[in-house]
Amino acid sequence: DAGITQSPRYKITETGRQVTLMCHQTWSHSYMFWYRQDLGHGLRLIYYSAAADITDKGEVSDGYVVSRSKTENFPLTLESATRSQTSVYFCASSEVGSNQPQHFGDGTRLSIL
Amino acid sequence: DQQVKQNSPSLSVQEGRISILNCDYTNSMFDYFLWYKKYPAEGPTFLISISSIKDKNEDGRFTVFLNKSAKHLSLHIVPSQPGDSAVYFCAASTFNTDKLIFGTGTRLQVFP
Repeated sequence: DAGITQSPRYKITETGRQVTLMCHQTWSHSYMFWYRQDLGHGLRLIYYSAAADITDKGEVSDGYVVSRSKTENFPLTLESATRSQTSVYFCASSEVGSNQPQHFGDGTRLSIL
Repeated sequence: DQQVKQNSPSLSVQEGRISILNCDYTNSMFDYFLWYKKYPAEGPTFLISISSIKDKNEDGRFTVFLNKSAKHLSLHIVPSQPGDSAVYFCAASTFNTDKLIFGTGTRLQVFP
């Protein structure tokens, strides 16, 4: 089915480990986004990408790395996980053009012990 | 500094009545506003949007109102149904950017 899928849905890891969250969309949307959702903060933008090989930082990008070698994939890597990065992570995509709504995946719940 | 604020963390409404969810913003450059609905263990889903050139947009039971002078928008759900129970996020963006700024969300509970 067309859509946006995130994997894994749940992940537990330890501080200092590297972890990669995957995001795949089948709509061929140009724009892709990573957010984290934390109590009291809503959704905050980590990174976004306007097209393959074009990425830019969002509001809370420290400690995260992204890549976009293919239009349909936008992995998010925590290079050395910290407890403060325990969160629910959402990937989203949207079409090019003004005022296009973003469509979200179902999220990855990440716990860092 | 929170540019988009949802000051009510929760709202409880009886089935069949009107639900009104509020959102305030501080950045006068915002020109596009959206509401998303989120169920537990799922991603947010787009509900309705409004451009700053309008003051009202309607889609079935859902209506969004925008008051630019007050920097305030609201989502009205009439009539409310139990399936509307979810967390609602408002979001805003400025012209020529695809980045959204989200509020902290309001949990709506519709009871029978």
